[in-house]
Amino acid sequence: DVKVTQSSRYLVKRTGEKVFLECVQDMDHENMFWYRQDPGLGLRLIYFSYDVKMKEKGDIPEGYSVSREKKERFSLILESASTNQTSMYLCASTLIAGGNNEQFFGPGTRLTVL
Amino acid sequence: QKEVEQNSGPLSVPEGAIASLNCTYSDRGSQSFFWYRQYSGKSPELIMFIYSNGDKEDGRFTAQLNKASQYVSLLIRDSQPSDSATYLCAVNRDSGYALNFGKGTSLLVTP
Repeated sequence: DVKVTQSSRYLVKRTGEKVFLECVQDMDHENMFWYRQDPGLGLRLIYFSYDVKMKEKGDIPEGYSVSREKKERFSLILESASTNQTSMYLCASTLIAGGNNEQFFGPGTRLTVL
Repeated sequence: QKEVEQNSGPLSVPEGAIASLNCTYSDRGSQSFFWYRQYSGKSPELIMFIYSNGDKEDGRFTAQLNKASQYVSLLIRDSQPSDSATYLCAVNRDSGYALNFGKGTSLLVTP
């Protein structure tokens, strides 16, 4: 079974702190994604990566950066956390096989910024 | 921004009935369509994907795709209380493998 893990289930940080959210997948997937999910707004794509050291902006990249130094690991960085970044953060990965780009999700990190 | 639209619900159906969930999308060039289920406090999990016009069946679930009308639906037969969840429709983006998600439809199956 594909396994996508995230470093924390719950995280509480202070405004202005630098925050690192880690995501690791164990199935050699090329593509990895970071979303945030908020009530009434659904899943919104922050950043994604097609390969090591490659990244693409999603729909809401402002205030975030990412790092992909190894194929299995994709990190989301909040350079200076703000209260409006309080959200559920979901990481996903996908292997393209036969045109099926099913995304497998990690358990999520609920981040609260005080 | 390409749109994926779903009725937020809640959609309430009695146990044993057919639940019908609908989704429309704006990008006529979309090729891949996915239905995810998300229980409260959990992450989304894939139920079905569909690429071709018509119906695709998997157990109690049937996905229906009509590309001309830009419409995809999910039917759940013999609905069970355990089917109560939010159902997310997702469509591939033109940038390749990323997906656009709808905001989800909340389904409640009552005993």
